[in-house]
Amino acid sequence: GAVVSQHPSWVICKSGTSVKIECRSLDFQATTMFWYRQFPKQSLMLMATSNEGSKATYEQGVEKDKFLINHASLTLSTLTVTSAHPEDSSFYICSAQIASGTDTQYFGPGTRLTVL
Amino acid sequence: AQSVTQLDSHVSVSEGTPVLLRCNYSSSYSPSLFWYVQHPNKGLQLLLKYTSAATLVKGINGFEAEFKKSETSFHLTKPSAHMSDAAEYFCVVDHTGGGNKLTFGTGTQLKVEL
Repeated sequence: GAVVSQHPSWVICKSGTSVKIECRSLDFQATTMFWYRQFPKQSLMLMATSNEGSKATYEQGVEKDKFLINHASLTLSTLTVTSAHPEDSSFYICSAQIASGTDTQYFGPGTRLTVL
Repeated sequence: AQSVTQLDSHVSVSEGTPVLLRCNYSSSYSPSLFWYVQHPNKGLQLLLKYTSAATLVKGINGFEAEFKKSETSFHLTKPSAHMSDAAEYFCVVDHTGGGNKLTFGTGTQLKVEL
């Protein structure tokens, strides 16, 4: 149980284009989802927290107009990297909570984004 | 301030020997603590978590960790390493009590040799 999927698993795009990454909770409803970014050989950094039906809360230093997050349903959150540039190349990982405040986050397998 | 320190960036053991991955934390509250494992190009898998119940926590794949408040430590151990244990391990602290604000350690790369 508590499986989270991400799609795509990897994507290569040209500089200036936008890329959408999906995060789905497969066997539970997730009131809260999180988006992380991981640079090579580094730890995860929280980008934003999204609650179903409301605007995402972004961490300091994360551009909300560049990283658009939508959490339209209890099983789906999307992260859109707009006008991507090579410095946006990274491993993006989402996670989900069964209910907000239940302290365990279940992580997706990640999406490798490469911007040429 | 809340933080988590993984004392070793790399640990190398022989197959069949014990594993010890060290983690120290700093938190103003009674924290929840987690260990996650990440295999190459994969997401994070929860190994175990401590949430103020028993101080010795047993997880999956034979791993366990002991919460020691006096030492502010939460070291991860396994009696006998297997080749499949080779991965990156992250110690994580939740200092909000609600699981919404995780702080990750910098990770420990475990190498298992024949």
